[in-house]
Amino acid sequence: DQQVKQNSPSLSVQEGRISILNCDYTNSMFDYFLWYKKYPAEGPTFLISISSIKDKNEDGRFTVFLNKSAKHLSLHIVPSQPGDSAVYFCAASVIGAGSYQLTFGKGTKLSVIP
Amino acid sequence: DVKVTQSSRYLVKRTGEKVFLECVQDMDHENMFWYRQDPGLGLRLIYFSYDVKMKEKGDIPEGYSVSREKKERFSLILESASTNQTSMYLCASSSGGSGNIQYFGAGTRLSVL
Repeated sequence: DQQVKQNSPSLSVQEGRISILNCDYTNSMFDYFLWYKKYPAEGPTFLISISSIKDKNEDGRFTVFLNKSAKHLSLHIVPSQPGDSAVYFCAASVIGAGSYQLTFGKGTKLSVIP
Repeated sequence: DVKVTQSSRYLVKRTGEKVFLECVQDMDHENMFWYRQDPGLGLRLIYFSYDVKMKEKGDIPEGYSVSREKKERFSLILESASTNQTSMYLCASSSGGSGNIQYFGAGTRLSVL
């Protein structure tokens, strides 16, 4: 039973355009959401996060939007660059209650075409 | 900067061998994790540890064990390696604050022949 779903295994975008990566979750207890970026043969690196008390968080070219009622979040990359080509993982967690786990989606492979 | 170091980038082992994957973090983090990553399956949690000598099973613990004798070191053990354990293994650590952000090592690509 997947609690975090990334329904698009892959996405191709032209350089300079916007990339939108989507993520859905089913567990209403999740209250913190993260995006990780992973290059081949490297470990994932933390990219950006958002708390459930917010609906938007921005960091440079990266913006994460959270729609709690729809249990949906998205990562926007503007403008997309070839170096953004990687696998992006969405993750969710429950803060407190002694739980430190992250639940990951299966990832979306982004290809930015020059 | 947080540094999580995995002892090997690539390993090739034979079926039935005992395999040790080592992970060391330098940020005094309480929590450490072992995942495996397979195409189309994402990151799956094998085991995690909240404290020295403590361990908890993740989603796919079968065929694996772990050891945490010191706070900075978390070892994953394949008691008798099998071909279906060929995978990318990723270690991570976290402090438990900052939304449970986990910091990952570079990964170990294990091939079991």
